[in-house]
Amino acid sequence: QPVLTQSSSASASLGSSVKLTCTLSSGRNTYIIAWHQQQPGKAPRYLMKLDSGGSYNKGSGVPDRFSGSSSGADRYLTISNLQSEDEADYYCETWESNTWVFGGGTKLTVL
Amino acid sequence: QVQLQESGPGLVKPSETLSLTCTISGGSISTYYWSWIRQPPGKGLEWIGYMDYSGSSNYSPSLKSRVTISVDTSKNQFSLRLSSVTAADTAVYYCARHPHGDHIDYWGQGTLVTVSS
Repeated sequence: QPVLTQSSSASASLGSSVKLTCTLSSGRNTYIIAWHQQQPGKAPRYLMKLDSGGSYNKGSGVPDRFSGSSSGADRYLTISNLQSEDEADYYCETWESNTWVFGGGTKLTVL
Repeated sequence: QVQLQESGPGLVKPSETLSLTCTISGGSISTYYWSWIRQPPGKGLEWIGYMDYSGSSNYSPSLKSRVTISVDTSKNQFSLRLSSVTAADTAVYYCARHPHGDHIDYWGQGTLVTVSS
């Protein structure tokens, strides 16, 4: 089954931009992923679905500040004009043959 | 707006069976896939298994021997049973929806289950 690799932590200043990375395991460059946000003490929230060409579809109510892009096995989540409420854990998700996997998550700190 | 709500005991004894139910409101259980996911305290997300409205299912290889997921379309609910629990099964358990059998688009609020005597 696929493996998703994420950096454990990231930080950026209020009002700046940050780009989080999710890397697919070998041979799975064409896979679609999804990004989810989990604010402290809350359930995860679906942000977007992102394909290998960099096209993405966001969930309802997801601010324009959130965007996605892709390059090879890497899937990116870019957050612009960082707000304090963006401080959260971010998980990527993918699937294969009716089996789902998550990346280990990236903890984003807004300075 | 679809809403998912987990329910069940918050405390389960070691070696017993954990049972949770997810009730769907604002939408039908039909035509979608439904999963259970868990998150141990301070750790990441772990997919447990899924079932669709027709009864097709698949489970995480690491949990397969202990997991059963079932669907009750008449009640718009689906359920999780995890047998022979240990302290390692202590986690927040989430139910979630897959709109086209692919990514998750809705999550329940989660319920903490502690395994302890």
